[in-house]
Amino acid sequence: GAVVSQHPSRVICKSGTSVKIECRSLDFQATTMFWYRQFPKQSLMLMATSNEGSKATYEQGVEKDKFLINHASLTLSTLTVTSAHPEDSSFYICSAGGVTRDEQFFGPGTRLTVL
Amino acid sequence: GEDVEQSLFLSVREGDSSVINCTYTDSSSTYLYWYKQEPGAGLQLLTYIFSNMDMKQDQRLTVLLNKKDKHLSLRIADTQTGDSAIYFCAESITTGTASKLTFGTGTRLQVTL
Repeated sequence: GAVVSQHPSRVICKSGTSVKIECRSLDFQATTMFWYRQFPKQSLMLMATSNEGSKATYEQGVEKDKFLINHASLTLSTLTVTSAHPEDSSFYICSAGGVTRDEQFFGPGTRLTVL
Repeated sequence: GEDVEQSLFLSVREGDSSVINCTYTDSSSTYLYWYKQEPGAGLQLLTYIFSNMDMKQDQRLTVLLNKKDKHLSLRIADTQTGDSAIYFCAESITTGTASKLTFGTGTRLQVTL
């Protein structure tokens, strides 16, 4: 149980375009999902916390207008990178909150490359 | 503060034990976790320990927590080549109804024959 999927696994796009990444909890409902960003050989940095039916909470320094998060259902959250630039190239990982407040189940990640 | 530090690299021979260390600064953490990340993949939860415990053993994995020194370690017994990966410790801090994970810098474990 507790499987989280992400789609796509890899995406290459041109500078200036927008890219949407989906995060799904496959066998459980998640009221809270988290979006992380990981640069090469670095740790995961929390970008935002997404709560079903309400606005996401962004971490300091993360532009909410650039990284749009939608959590429309208990099994799906989306992250849209708007007007992507090469510096947005990174590995984006989502996680879904479990039954207890501290559990998080991680997706396999999406590698975004902006040309 | 929420800094979580790890050494960058560890090399061990197959069959030996590996010990990966982690130090954290926030004493209000509720759970501490160890995750494994293989190249190009997401995170796999290996084990976790509640903050009021000193030790937890799970098959080849032993977690030690020294809350006074804010030091966490992961021991992998009989290390195998399949254990080669990056290992992240993480602390969970709950404020109100929300919990957030803060990850360490990651330790790359290399297992040699």
